[in-house]
Amino acid sequence: SYELTQPLSVSVALGQTARITCGGNNIGSKNVHWYQQKPGQAPVLVIYRDTNRPSGIPERFSGSNSGNTATLTIRRAQAGDEADYYCQVWDSNTGVFGTGTKVTVL
Amino acid sequence: QLQLQESGPGLVKPSETLSLTCTVSGDSISSSSYYWGWIRQPPGKGLEWIGTIYYSGSTYYNPSLKSRVTISVDTSKNQFSLKLSSVTAADTAVYYCAKLWELYYYMDVWGKGTTVTVSS
Repeated sequence: SYELTQPLSVSVALGQTARITCGGNNIGSKNVHWYQQKPGQAPVLVIYRDTNRPSGIPERFSGSNSGNTATLTIRRAQAGDEADYYCQVWDSNTGVFGTGTKVTVL
Repeated sequence: QLQLQESGPGLVKPSETLSLTCTVSGDSISSSSYYWGWIRQPPGKGLEWIGTIYYSGSTYYNPSLKSRVTISVDTSKNQFSLKLSSVTAADTAVYYCAKLWELYYYMDVWGKGTTVTVSS
């Protein structure tokens, strides 16, 4: 089965840039989606199809995908960006989530 | 604005069947552009895909759960449902329903989630 690997945690200083990676075999050939989940809340879609932001998601959030790594970038990090982030792809007729990354804003 | 609401028992006994329903409001479950899915999250852990259904009834299941999962749709009630049989404590989780876009299978609308505990 297809696996997606994310770092357990990422720390970023307030106002700086955080990068969250999602590793998978030839992930660049797939569509990658990213979700933000705050404690006690349902996940929220922040990036779909590698680089697209849903309505209402700040431009500070961006995505890229190439080779074996997809990346979610959060620029000018704010305290409200503290959350768990999950990548997701569709493979062999099933959804696959990454292991999740906890982002801490210092 | 499309909304999803999960409902069902919050406590299920081991070896029994977990049953949940997701009610769709604000749009038709029969839209050709959407799929509908179930995702769960055990306490303190990550997200796990359970399965997906189209309004026509075609389904995709997580291979690791396939033998125990049934997802069905009731277009007359604008609902879709999850049944998970032979549950154990490992099935204790928050269960979410979600709307997926066809072709790319990403979820842009989620229910708030419902907690199901498996315990005698």
